[in-house]
Amino acid sequence: GAGVSQSPSNKVTEKGKDVELRCDPISGHTALYWYRQSLGQGLEFLIYFQGNSAPDKSGLPSDRFSAERTGGSVSTLTIQRTQQEDSAVYLCASSISPASANTGELFFGEGSRLTVL
Amino acid sequence: KQEVTQIPAALSVPEGENLVLNCSFTDSAIYNLQWFRQDPGKGLTSLLLIQSSQREQTSGRLNASLDKSSGRSTLYIAASQPGDSATYLCAVHSGNTGKLIFGQGTTLQVKP
Repeated sequence: GAGVSQSPSNKVTEKGKDVELRCDPISGHTALYWYRQSLGQGLEFLIYFQGNSAPDKSGLPSDRFSAERTGGSVSTLTIQRTQQEDSAVYLCASSISPASANTGELFFGEGSRLTVL
Repeated sequence: KQEVTQIPAALSVPEGENLVLNCSFTDSAIYNLQWFRQDPGKGLTSLLLIQSSQREQTSGRLNASLDKSSGRSTLYIAASQPGDSATYLCAVHSGNTGKLIFGQGTTLQVKP
C-alpha cells in the first residue's frame, strides 16, 4: 500500500479482555516496529521485526503482550487480559532496510488508540 | 544506554520567526538520526533523516544538522508559519537492535 496501515483506529475494551491490533507495512519493507505512546508520554519501543523474526522484543512490558509477523508483511500485536494501564496509542512503523546496516527512514502509521475501561 | 533529550519542551513564537529545536543524545555510536513531526491525535510524519556520515540535511524551510562527536542535532525552521505548529520529535538509531530511541519532543506553537 501507499503507507503503513493500522487497524482498528480506535478500540474500547473492558478490563480483562484480549485485543488484537494489526499493522500492514509499506510493501517491500523488511523491518517493522511497534511503539506505544501513553498520554503525555514519549514513544516507548515495544518490539522490532526483521522479516518474520523478532531480534529485539525487549520493550514488551509483560508476558501479556505478544506480537507476530507472517509472510514478512502483516503484524499483529496481541494484548491479553487487558489492564487500564495498557490504554495508549499503539504505533507501527516500517523501514525498507535491515537494522544492522545503515538503516533507512522509518514510516509510521496513524496508530491504534486503545482505551481499557 | 542511549538517552535522547529535547530542549525546550515547549516553544511559542510569532509567525515569520526563524527558530531552532535542539536534540542531544548520550551515545555517539549511532547509525542515523531522524526528525519527525506529530500533529495532535495523529501518527508521526518523517521530516528529515541524517545518516551518521552526514552533517546536515535540508528539505524546504527545514534544515537539520548532526554533530555526532558532541551528541547533538538541531532542527532549524525558517520563516515559521502557523501550519508548523506541532510536536517535533527526534530519534536516534543506535546499536544493532534496530530500534529508534525517541526524545520527549518539543511542542511548537506559531502564532499568526
